[in-house]
Amino acid sequence: GAVVSQHPSRVICKSGTSVKIECRSLDFQATTMFWYRQFPKQSLMLMATSNEGSKATYEQGVEKDKFLINHASLTLSTLTVTSAHPEDSSFYICSAGLGSYNEQFFGPGTRLTVL
Amino acid sequence: GQQLNQSPQSMFIQEGEDVSMNCTSSSIFNTWLWYKQDPGEGPVLLIALYKAGELTSNGRLTAQFGITRKDSFLNISASIPSDVGIYFCAGRETSGSRLTFGEGTQLTVNP
Repeated sequence: GAVVSQHPSRVICKSGTSVKIECRSLDFQATTMFWYRQFPKQSLMLMATSNEGSKATYEQGVEKDKFLINHASLTLSTLTVTSAHPEDSSFYICSAGLGSYNEQFFGPGTRLTVL
Repeated sequence: GQQLNQSPQSMFIQEGEDVSMNCTSSSIFNTWLWYKQDPGEGPVLLIALYKAGELTSNGRLTAQFGITRKDSFLNISASIPSDVGIYFCAGRETSGSRLTFGEGTQLTVNP
């Protein structure tokens, strides 16, 4: 149980294009999903908290117009990196909350490379 | 905001040895979590702790929630090569559901 998937696992795009990453909870419903980014040899940095049916809450310094988050159902949240630039290249990981403590179970991550 | 200090940053051990790593926070947490991350993968939850003083085991892994609620440790006994990876602590303050992550401990196990 508590399986979270992400798609795609790896994406390479040209600078200026937009990229959409999907996060799905496969065997449970998640009211809350979270989006992180991780640079090499660093810890996870929370970008935003996504609540089903409402606007995402972004962390300080994260541009909401650049990183669009949609949480349209209890099993799907999407992150769209708009007008991607090379500095957006990173490992993006989502997690979904489960249980009374809303513990976070993570997806396998998406490696984004912007050329 | 809250800060988590995780140590050591890296460890190089021989197979069969025991390992210990810990995290301390600048504020009180009501939840401590320990995750393991393999290269190119997302973190996997190992142990969750919810009460001060709680000691929980998961196979060869044991973790404790410090009584001051500002620290936690993770022990791995009789290490094996597949224990290699990065271990992260994470904590949650009393209010809200936001997790704060430590900087990670890179574990290398030599056969």
